[in-house]
Amino acid sequence: AQRVTQPEKLLSVFKGAPVELKCNYSYSGSPELFWYVQYSRQRLQLLLRHISRESIKGFTADLNKGETSFHLKKPFAQEEDSAMYYCALRRSGSARQLTFGSGTQLTVLP
Amino acid sequence: KAGVTQTPRYLIKTRGQQVTLSCSPISGHRSVSWYQQTPGQGLQFLFEYFSETQRNKGNFPGRFSGRQFSNSRSEMNVSTLELGDSALYLCASANYLRDSAYEQYFGPGTRLTVT
Repeated sequence: AQRVTQPEKLLSVFKGAPVELKCNYSYSGSPELFWYVQYSRQRLQLLLRHISRESIKGFTADLNKGETSFHLKKPFAQEEDSAMYYCALRRSGSARQLTFGSGTQLTVLP
Repeated sequence: KAGVTQTPRYLIKTRGQQVTLSCSPISGHRSVSWYQQTPGQGLQFLFEYFSETQRNKGNFPGRFSGRQFSNSRSEMNVSTLELGDSALYLCASANYLRDSAYEQYFGPGTRLTVT
């Protein structure tokens, strides 16, 4: 069975500092990895997916199959980045469900 | 486009009762998935429906069931409620046909409290 691990429940950084939210996964096949974000009082929304190899709101994430990691990075954190971040995995094949990590609450301090 | 809507937003029930939650997906989306979110277990997949058929099911007891209607609206039912069923229940819809750009759009959730 697949598993997603986010080792940090809470992460605080100062505005302008780099931030990295860690995500590791275990899955024997070729997974699809996502980062979802939930801002205060808003619904869960997709931030980025690994197949797109895009940068959203300054965030990037690279899938490292050797280390089975999909860490989320941003070089200069902003206060509006404060939110709950979830890493999620979707198995290869027809199964559509997402397996989520436990989430990391990011707080960007002024 | 209107987003995913869920009703009711809040619900209080007593142990042993049953409850039905409703989800209306984004227009044109035929896949609806349900997740349970709790502080202890996080976000866990319940089941997914597509074209009125259950496609996948998570590791939940048979008390949890669902269905999907021809207009893609979905309902989730929990029978014989237990205190541990208190959670935020999230519904997500997806455009099944665009698998290469697969994305689940989440609703605001229904907060169920079992007393």
